[in-house]
Parts: sequence; C-alpha cells; structure tokens
Amino acid sequence: EDQVTQSPEALRLQEGESSSLNCSYTVSGLRGLFWYRQDPGKGPEFLFTLYSAGEEKEKERLKATLTKKESFLHITAPKPEDSATYLCAVLPFSGGYNKLIFGAGTRLAVHP
Amino acid sequence: EAGVTQFPSHSVIEKGQTVTLRCDPISGHDNLYWYRRVMGKEIKFLLHFVKESKQDESGMPNNRFLAERTGGTYSTLKVQPAELEDSGVYFCASSPIAGLNTDTQYFGPGTRLTVL
Repeated sequence: EDQVTQSPEALRLQEGESSSLNCSYTVSGLRGLFWYRQDPGKGPEFLFTLYSAGEEKEKERLKATLTKKESFLHITAPKPEDSATYLCAVLPFSGGYNKLIFGAGTRLAVHP
Repeated sequence: EAGVTQFPSHSVIEKGQTVTLRCDPISGHDNLYWYRRVMGKEIKFLLHFVKESKQDESGMPNNRFLAERTGGTYSTLKVQPAELEDSGVYFCASSPIAGLNTDTQYFGPGTRLTVL
C-alpha cells in the first residue's frame, strides 16, 4: 500500500537554527513528490515538485531533495515567518489517476 | 491570476441535514479534485474530475456524498444526510490538463464542516 510518513511531528527552532524535515515514502512507482506549506486556517500552498532521485529544488531558505526512499526539506537560517505545517505528498504511477497521498505533516515553530 | 476558491469557508449543521460545498478552480484548469481532512488525520483524496467527467471517485466514503461538475467549470460536493463523522475540512484543488505543471495540484482555502 502506498504510504507517506513525515518526521518529526513537531519541531521547534530558534531563529537562525537550521534543520531538516523528513518525508519517507513507500510507493509502487513514483510519478512525483510534492512539498506544501500550510498556515492555520488556510489551504496547502505549493512549494516544490521533485521527480527523480538526486533532484534538488530551492526557494529562499528552503531546499528540497529526493532519494529513492525519502525526501528532505532543509530550512536554512529560518525566520519566524517560516512557522507553518509542512506537508509532503506523493503522486504514484497509477494508470492516469492523479490521487495525491499525503503525510500527516510537520508542524514547525520558529521563535525569535 | 485568481486561485482556487471555495464557499462557504465554514458551515455548521446538525446531523441529518444537507450541506453543499462549492469549489471554483483556477481558470482553465480541467482537473478538479476534492480532498478532506478529518480531525487528527492526514489529508485524504475523495475524487477527481476531468472536465465534467468523474475520473476517479475511489475515495468517496459512501453514497451520502455526491459530487457534480456540470459544464466542467465549478464543482459542488453535497453531503446528504450529514453524520457526525463527516466533520472536517474539505479542500478542493485543481491542475491543468496540458502544458507546464500538469502534475501540480493547487489547493483552495478549504471549507470547515462541523456536524453537531
């Protein structure tokens, strides 16, 4: 069964303290892996798509990487405005269907 | 460019009543999806429209849920009759069918449904 596990569930950082969030996945065939950011009361906001092992994407203080079994979201020198829940989702190869499978998310709190 | 919009943002109803949620996708996006998150769980897929046709409704929990997308533009999700376990946040997402980023789904703000 296709599955996504994110760790840790929650992470508290001091401003400027870099860290990484993990997304482990089990899928019959990976079509794409997605990172979203979600603020309280809002919908998931798209950050990155990764398609193949070794691929990396960067945006401001965030960098996403992908291996055959997991993805990491690296946060460099975070600021309080980076506080949010970060969601990982996979899109399996499944005959043309586009069903995203989400992890439970990592709640990140960055304190000044 | 306007994003995905959903209405209402919040709905409180009593068990047994009917509720209809609406989603307007990004203009030109032929793929439209419904997802939901119930308390403490991850976001789960409900169904997928391609234009006005249901491509995949494998995530619909039971026949109390009815989704429509007449004309291939906006979509509605009706819950009738609502049960307590239907409470949660219902998200709509859309993606283009051709061109760049066809795999990327863009989400709306969600409708929080509370069934009392």
